[in-house]
Amino acid sequence: DIQMTQSPSSLSASLGDRVTITCRASQGISNSLAWFQQKPGKAPRSLIYAASSLHNGVPSKFSGTGSGTEFILTISSLQPEDFATYYCQQYNSYPFTFGPGTKVDIK
Amino acid sequence: EVQLVESGGDLVQPGGSLRLSCAASGFSFSIYWMTWVRQAPGKGLEWVANIKDDGSEKWYVDSVKGRFTISRDNAKNSLYLQMNSLRVEDTAVYYCARSKVVASWGQGTLVTVSS
Repeated sequence: DIQMTQSPSSLSASLGDRVTITCRASQGISNSLAWFQQKPGKAPRSLIYAASSLHNGVPSKFSGTGSGTEFILTISSLQPEDFATYYCQQYNSYPFTFGPGTKVDIK
Repeated sequence: EVQLVESGGDLVQPGGSLRLSCAASGFSFSIYWMTWVRQAPGKGLEWVANIKDDGSEKWYVDSVKGRFTISRDNAKNSLYLQMNSLRVEDTAVYYCARSKVVASWGQGTLVTVSS
């Protein structure tokens, strides 16, 4: 199985900050990488697929880059609604696997 | 608007069975892969299974193989997860999701396996 890791596991940031989260795969997955946002007690929300493509309705402050084994999610200017946990997921090979998550909270 | 509504979650004893359902609306259900994802209390997301649009392909995470069965009824716009031989570690919120590359999520249904 492909193992996914994320760093950091948590971070504290201020409103307006630029935030980056790194996701690494244990083997190459091309660009078969998705990002999700989840707020406490809520279902996840799909943000990005194919490493860098935004789902419909996702604001452009979210961006994704990467290919192969290293991927980055960037939030350009943190707003109150962005405080949440972010997960990456590979869908290059079965079983599809998620990263452990990165919790973004308020400094 | 895409809507996915899960049901069937309950408290069940170890070794028991449960069938989850997901009612889909707002999109052409029969042309999409569908997925189940779960989340144990306080833990991260875990991909469980998915099924091709026509039901001809099914994939599972190793921990549920032989115990869980994913299925669908395109005439009823419904997705199912039959869960047998349930274990304490299957306790989780189970989410129904649209597509192999998940684009939309249901609100989840809680399965608790406990004696």
